Amino acid sequence: DAKTTQPNSMESNEEEPVHLPCNHSTISGTDYIHWYRQLPSQGPEYVIHGLTSNVNNRMASLAIAEDRKSSTLILHRATLRDAAVYYCIRRNYGGSQGNLIFGKGTKLSVKP
Amino acid sequence: NAGVTQTPKFQVLKTGQSMTLQCAQDMNHNSMYWYRQDPGMGLRLIYYSASEGTTDKGEVPNGYNVSRLNKREFSLRLESAAPSQTSVYFCASSEARDVFYGYTFGSGTRLTVV
Repeated sequence: DAKTTQPNSMESNEEEPVHLPCNHSTISGTDYIHWYRQLPSQGPEYVIHGLTSNVNNRMASLAIAEDRKSSTLILHRATLRDAAVYYCIRRNYGGSQGNLIFGKGTKLSVKP
Repeated sequence: NAGVTQTPKFQVLKTGQSMTLQCAQDMNHNSMYWYRQDPGMGLRLIYYSASEGTTDKGEVPNGYNVSRLNKREFSLRLESAAPSQTSVYFCASSEARDVFYGYTFGSGTRLTVV
């Protein structure tokens, strides 16, 4: 049970920003939000993670709602290489919940 | 800059045959994992090793065994392959199972059981 809800698919135009939503309405106070992406025929790749504050790195930004029941992965300028399946994952401290549990993710298509 | 290396990349087995999937990481990570991914699905955890000398079952361990040979290597064995085990298998590693650390995945082994 991935315990997150994402749209099955989204489309974007090249060089435009992309906002990928994730709902995690039952999140607990110690759950982190992790994002991974999987390019075609490759293993998943870590993108970003956060707890409460918005986070930025070279790949993307993560905006977490104030009530933490949802978050948005932001790709500032989509390229064709960003076409992938994006997974939003909750991770808790320790025990079996410390493992990555993948849902089906959002398949992002990028049009030239 | 190898990261996580999986061998073989492709394999076809007959039902009932056995084989071992190999995984090695060169990042000095403590934790290693085996996942499987069926078409159109997310990844499911088979087994994991939180640290050298320990292994634990994940979500779908039936039909598999694992060995954490040393800190670098974590192998997955299919004793008697079945068509239901046709899948893409991914190995991953992380510095620890703690939530602060991301996973690094290999490029996968595509296994077909006929």
